Amino acid sequence: EVQLVESGGGLVQPGGSLRLSCAASGFTFSPSWMSWIRQAPGKGLEWVANMTPDGSEKSYVDSVKGRFTISRDNAKDSLFLQMNSLRGEDTAVYYCVRDAGLNWGQGTLVTVSS
Amino acid sequence: DVVMTQSPLSLPVTLGQPASISCRSSQSLVYSDGNTYLSWFQQRPGQSPRRLIYTLSNRDSGVPDRFSGSGSGTDFTLKISRVEAEDVGVYYCMQHTHWPHTFGQGTKLEIK
Repeated sequence: EVQLVESGGGLVQPGGSLRLSCAASGFTFSPSWMSWIRQAPGKGLEWVANMTPDGSEKSYVDSVKGRFTISRDNAKDSLFLQMNSLRGEDTAVYYCVRDAGLNWGQGTLVTVSS
Repeated sequence: DVVMTQSPLSLPVTLGQPASISCRSSQSLVYSDGNTYLSWFQQRPGQSPRRLIYTLSNRDSGVPDRFSGSGSGTDFTLKISRVEAEDVGVYYCMQHTHWPHTFGQGTKLEIK
């Protein structure tokens, strides 16, 4: 069974940092494109960042460029999202997603508030 | 960015009746390889999204055949041939032909 388990969310003050992790199992992680997608409370879906299987290419939505960094460890079947300079508008459930939406984790809630 | 516009945003349907959701993109979604990278997702209340359709018209494994995707270029449709109670939720179209990948606003399907 495919599983994507996110962790690392929580309450952080504006300007703070968080690092999200996603542990993958049940499929071969290393050849998979991986992404982070977020959903603000009561709102729709927004694609945040994308990464190629070997990590050579990364793409970000404009609103997080320069603040967020996606990375992966293929030896540990893990995906990460380093989030710096957090803003209120970053408040959302963050989903770890495989291969353009094939599989989703349960999400981890990030709340940016003073 | 490619804007994805769904209609209707609210869709009350009688059990057993068909339903249709439209999705229009601000640019063609045909990629250089000839494929149209348009997907449909279902998000049931309190759950993570689940992909139903990928590359325009391909059903994902385990998706009932009452769901179908069609369209071309900039105009796309998700059809449910006979709505069941378990179909309640929000449906999103999404394009990944162009970066950034973008979603429609969502269509909330409810039972009349």
